[in-house]
Amino acid sequence: IAGITQAPTSQILAAGRRMTLRCTQDMRHNAMYWYRQDLGLGLRLIHYSNTAGTTGKGEVPDGYSVSRANTDDFPLTLASAVPSQTSVYFCASSPLNRGENTGELFFGEGSRLTVL
Amino acid sequence: AQRVTQPEKLLSVFKGAPVELKCNYSYSGSPELFWYVQYSRQRLQLLLRHISRESIKGFTADLNKGETSFHLKKPFAQEEDSAMYYCASRGSNYKLTFGKGTLLTVNP
Repeated sequence: IAGITQAPTSQILAAGRRMTLRCTQDMRHNAMYWYRQDLGLGLRLIHYSNTAGTTGKGEVPDGYSVSRANTDDFPLTLASAVPSQTSVYFCASSPLNRGENTGELFFGEGSRLTVL
Repeated sequence: AQRVTQPEKLLSVFKGAPVELKCNYSYSGSPELFWYVQYSRQRLQLLLRHISRESIKGFTADLNKGETSFHLKKPFAQEEDSAMYYCASRGSNYKLTFGKGTLLTVNP
């Protein structure tokens, strides 16, 4: 089934450890996003990429980094995890091509991360 | 900067009752407004967008520029409508800004 795949689906991590959340899409969308979902705070944008080779900071980028080496992959890295990064992380993609740019985001199933 | 406000964290109604989920936005330009829904154990998905002016699963939402609102309405709620609903706006930078969400529970 075409769409967005995230891995892992769930992870428990010790504070201070490095962690990379993987995200792959097969829809050839230009733009990709990482959001974190927290109860009472909704979805907050961490980082985004409008096209391969470029990235930008969202609302809550501190403690996170991303790369966009190609169209399909957009990994999110926590260099040194802290308990406040315990959250559910969602990757999303969106086409920005003329005629396809409806604004709709297509989401992955999420990665639940617990930092102890 | 864009801001989306959903004043109700929780909303509980009975089956068959009307439901309205409130959303207000703050944006100086001409925003695009969306409603996203997350059913239990499913991924977040688009419900409707203001440009389409469509009705999806009986839900409608009208953009009111005077009140800067984009409330989601359904005349007769169903149990399967129970979900988390997010209002979102998109500005000229193509990024979506989400509200904090409203958890709708439809009781039998």
